[in-house]
Amino acid sequence: KQEVTQIPAALSVPEGENLVLNCSFTDSAIYNLQWFRQDPGKGLTSLLLIQSSQREQTSGRLNASLDKSSGRSTLYIAASQPGDSATYLCASPFGPASKLTFGTGTRLQVTL
Amino acid sequence: EAGVAQSPRYKIIEKRQSVAFWCNPISGHATLYWYQQILGQGPKLLIQFQNNGVVDDSQLPKDRFSAERLKGVDSTLKIQPAKLEDSAVYLCASSYFGLAGVGNEQFFGPGTRLTVL
Repeated sequence: KQEVTQIPAALSVPEGENLVLNCSFTDSAIYNLQWFRQDPGKGLTSLLLIQSSQREQTSGRLNASLDKSSGRSTLYIAASQPGDSATYLCASPFGPASKLTFGTGTRLQVTL
Repeated sequence: EAGVAQSPRYKIIEKRQSVAFWCNPISGHATLYWYQQILGQGPKLLIQFQNNGVVDDSQLPKDRFSAERLKGVDSTLKIQPAKLEDSAVYLCASSYFGLAGVGNEQFFGPGTRLTVL
């Protein structure tokens, strides 16, 4: 059974800082790993999807890496902005079907 | 490209009442998912459709929850009767393919926030 853990549960940083969010998973035989952003009261916005054959993906100020051997993925946010404040969730499919197993998320606050 | 649409956005009901949620996926997406997200937790899959067939409903409380996707496009999730513990956000998602190995990416709607009193 795939279990996904995210640490820390909450993080507060001043504007302009670079930061790293962590995601750990127990089953290294993953097919892909997806990072989402969730604003309060809103649905999930897909940020990045890393295939199992890839080591990282980049989109703007975001960079996600995947290390299957250690069961870890990181989301790097460069030059953080107050608009980045949200909850960030990672998720991985459980088995060949595409049912996602989610972590509990990291709540990020970027202060002025 | 229009995103995943859901309605209503908010619903407040009393326990033992019934409620229904509607979802319209992204055009052309064969796979549709319903997730339940309880406050402070990650979403949990309730049911997955591939076109109009059910792929996975192992975590759907079938004594009170039902879902259908009759024409393989939009979908309805129903709860009857509702319990206090059903208070959550119900998220609908869709993807082009239904297999994780194909590099499937799921796109989510805004969700329906249900409060059961």
